[in-house]
Amino acid sequence: GQQLNQSPQSMFIQEGEDVSMNCTSSSIFNTWLWYKQDPGEGPVLLIALYKAGELTSNGRLTAQFGITRKDSFLNISASIPSDVGIYFCAGQKLAGYALNFGKGTSLLVTP
Amino acid sequence: DAGVIQSPRHEVTEMGQEVTLRCKPISGHNSLFWYRQTMMRGLELLIYFNNNVPIDDSGMPEDRFSAKMPNASFSTLKIQPSEPRDSAVYFCASSRPGTGESGSDQETQYFGPGTRLLVL
Repeated sequence: GQQLNQSPQSMFIQEGEDVSMNCTSSSIFNTWLWYKQDPGEGPVLLIALYKAGELTSNGRLTAQFGITRKDSFLNISASIPSDVGIYFCAGQKLAGYALNFGKGTSLLVTP
Repeated sequence: DAGVIQSPRHEVTEMGQEVTLRCKPISGHNSLFWYRQTMMRGLELLIYFNNNVPIDDSGMPEDRFSAKMPNASFSTLKIQPSEPRDSAVYFCASSRPGTGESGSDQETQYFGPGTRLLVL
């Protein structure tokens, strides 16, 4: 499967700062998803996007499905220490198909 | 509700041994996916099933890997013989049929906690 280009690879920020990460692809996806993975656990879904241009919020998280369907971003506002983890973007071409994942963004938040 | 269940959570074995990983998907979900996660390659699909039928196994590394789904509530991933390069975290995920309407649960894949495999 195609690997998505996710950036940045890692971020080291202070509590209270806003965070932004993005994902791009050379091909179109019909669904974009953002997952968070804590150490020793499986990825947990944060936000799912189903329509080009869609902007969706989940608490302090905001994600957008790019209008070209080839990109997506995730913003975290007012970061807190429990935001620490690895964030993955994933694209899905068709419902029920497998996910193509980015390499992840490792986030560290200092108090 | 119980999520995706995987066993064992950890497995340490010697090269050449057979390894069997198990997965119980969420009840009512009709799609099941096996992924492998390594530092070098990230999360990669190995194989997925829809209604117990393998749909795409192009990600299975080689003939040493095989997967079965004998019924809707159980799947296995077997490696025989295992090699050190098979060391990774293996995740199982499941999803339910979409309703055709947009919504937060449409075809969302839910992941299990993973099996951490170390082949010595």
